[in-house]
Amino acid sequence: NAGVTQTPKFQVLKTGQSMTLQCAQDMNHEYMSWYRQDPGMGLRLIHYSVGAGITDQGEVPNGYNVSRSTTEDFPLRLLSAAPSQTSVYFCASSSGTSVYNEQFFGPGTRLTVL
Amino acid sequence: KNEVEQSPQNLTAQEGEFITINCSYSVGISALHWLQQHPGGGIVSLFMLSSGKKKHGRLIATINIQEKHSSLHITASHPRDSAVYICAVITGNEKLTFGTGTRLTIIP
Repeated sequence: NAGVTQTPKFQVLKTGQSMTLQCAQDMNHEYMSWYRQDPGMGLRLIHYSVGAGITDQGEVPNGYNVSRSTTEDFPLRLLSAAPSQTSVYFCASSSGTSVYNEQFFGPGTRLTVL
Repeated sequence: KNEVEQSPQNLTAQEGEFITINCSYSVGISALHWLQQHPGGGIVSLFMLSSGKKKHGRLIATINIQEKHSSLHITASHPRDSAVYICAVITGNEKLTFGTGTRLTIIP
């Protein structure tokens, strides 16, 4: 099992550009989520999904879109990148449809927006 | 004030010492996760607990839901334990709220 994979590992964007951060898991997990980690702050939830076709907003959803067309994949789209979106992004998954089970995290994507 | 506070923010100890990291929270929760973030950035789940105590190897986690407090203990600490330890609480809307982490450095 590869677990949770994320691509790319690093990305530099210019303000206004769009891009998609990829996240995939091979554990047949229903629950998937995206977090951002900023210096001096705890991880914050951007969007989450409890299964294919179902997504919902987290704490800081503005400027991001998600979709869940398959159980395995949960891409995060930045619509028009802003310097405030410079952060490290983590995708996570868990079995079941809630956060009561063990969380598996991807290796992260470090994004810089100039 | 953050809903989840960890202390200390930084901790340096000698190899072999007993380590305690604390997590306090100001909201009602149903359970709590302890996570470890390696120096390379990867995050792994250590424990999820809603009451009492759990033990895995040299790691012990305790929680008192009523007192809004959890602790993570490491016995016989080793340099490979050097990492950031993060506590995350499960709030009423079944979302995770994370602390800012405790950076632990174990010196050989």
